[in-house]
Amino acid sequence: DGGITQSPKYLFRKEGQNVTLSCEQNLNHDAMYWYRQDPGQGLRLIYYSQIVNDFQKGDIAEGYSVSREKKESFPLTVTSAQKNPTAFYLCASSIRTGGNQPQHFGDGTRLSIL
Amino acid sequence: RKEVEQDPGPFNVPEGATVAFNCTYSNSASQSFFWYRQDCRKEPKLLMSVYSSGNEDGRFTAQLNRASQYISLLIRDSKLSDSATYLCVVTSTMTTDSWGKLQFGAGTQVVVTP
Repeated sequence: DGGITQSPKYLFRKEGQNVTLSCEQNLNHDAMYWYRQDPGQGLRLIYYSQIVNDFQKGDIAEGYSVSREKKESFPLTVTSAQKNPTAFYLCASSIRTGGNQPQHFGDGTRLSIL
Repeated sequence: RKEVEQDPGPFNVPEGATVAFNCTYSNSASQSFFWYRQDCRKEPKLLMSVYSSGNEDGRFTAQLNRASQYISLLIRDSKLSDSATYLCVVTSTMTTDSWGKLQFGAGTQVVVTP
């Protein structure tokens, strides 16, 4: 089945620790995205990638890093510089970037601080 | 002012009734519009795109009013399974990049009761 797989489903971070969230898609989509969702708020864009080996900062990139070495994979690292990491993290992909392209989401990773 | 605003609800709807709610957007240059559905603690899933002339998908009808800058979603013959949060999504063109960023509303909660 084609889709987007995020792992792990739940993740706990200790103070000063970096953690990496995995996102893999087998939809052959060029564009991939990372969002953060906090209670009562809309999704906020962290990073996006239009093509392999390219990525751009979104609205709230501070304290996060990404890589796009393969078309299928777009991992997100939450660094120790991110002081409020507790949130629901969603990875998405679309055929390409562009306003008329709907995005399809993975089932998310919930990150909490220990 | 937020770029995309929604009444958070909840809209409590008896089973079989009709419910409708709006979403306003601030950028008059917005190009594409979508409704997503998000169940509690799950990822958003695309419900339907919104076309200029309005469109239906079964019991769901979406409308766009460009003059007043809002989109609407109407659900007829509500089912218990329609209980969810409905996210309004609007695209805008970034000034430095023409890739068409999605802006998410915080969602409208609908609760269908027996």
